[in-house]
Amino acid sequence: EDQVTQSPEALRLQEGESSSLNCSYTVSGLRGLFWYRQDPGKGPEFLFTLYSAGEEKEKERLKATLTKKESFLHITAPKPEDSATYLCAVQAPRGAQKLVFGQGTRLTINP
Amino acid sequence: GAGVSQSPSNKVTEKGKDVELRCDPISGHTALYWYRQSLGQGLEFLIYFQGNSAPDKSGLPSDRFSAERTGGSVSTLTIQRTQQEDSAVYLCASRRGLAVSTDTQYFGPGTRLTVL
Repeated sequence: EDQVTQSPEALRLQEGESSSLNCSYTVSGLRGLFWYRQDPGKGPEFLFTLYSAGEEKEKERLKATLTKKESFLHITAPKPEDSATYLCAVQAPRGAQKLVFGQGTRLTINP
Repeated sequence: GAGVSQSPSNKVTEKGKDVELRCDPISGHTALYWYRQSLGQGLEFLIYFQGNSAPDKSGLPSDRFSAERTGGSVSTLTIQRTQQEDSAVYLCASRRGLAVSTDTQYFGPGTRLTVL
């Protein structure tokens, strides 16, 4: 069963063109939704954790929001250095101490 | 070291050979994870170690895969009789405490495995 679905698979933007990435989840009793950034040839780097609907967190040009069914990663006025794959994850069901990851969105910001 | 380290960074092997991948977690981190990432895909959970507890092996795809963690620190992932479908990047992560929901997972750079 798919628990985490990210869209779009890939997104190309011009520098300064704001947009949003989507992460839909089906896990009940959410214990945490996580956003990571992954650069080519590197391991994922932690960005945010969100715990409850309505929660928002920001870091530089990134803002993550959470509803009961999905999370958005908003990118405002992106720069080429924001190009990366963005991964979303949720804690596995039944309290298992592991994360279930989505397939990721590959973001490219053209100068 | 300051972060999670993995070795080798790249491994090319022939089908049918055994390989060992190593992970050095952040000092003091009690939890350690192995993931597999195939080309263009998300992360697939393989195995989880927490302190001295029995590991969660529920993600291992076959009995050719095994892992151990010695002394609560270094971990080795072993793949026996490698197949071409085992080609992927193998990522290790560690975190400090008991709760995956509150403790950040820190990832290593990965080992890229290519099975010819």
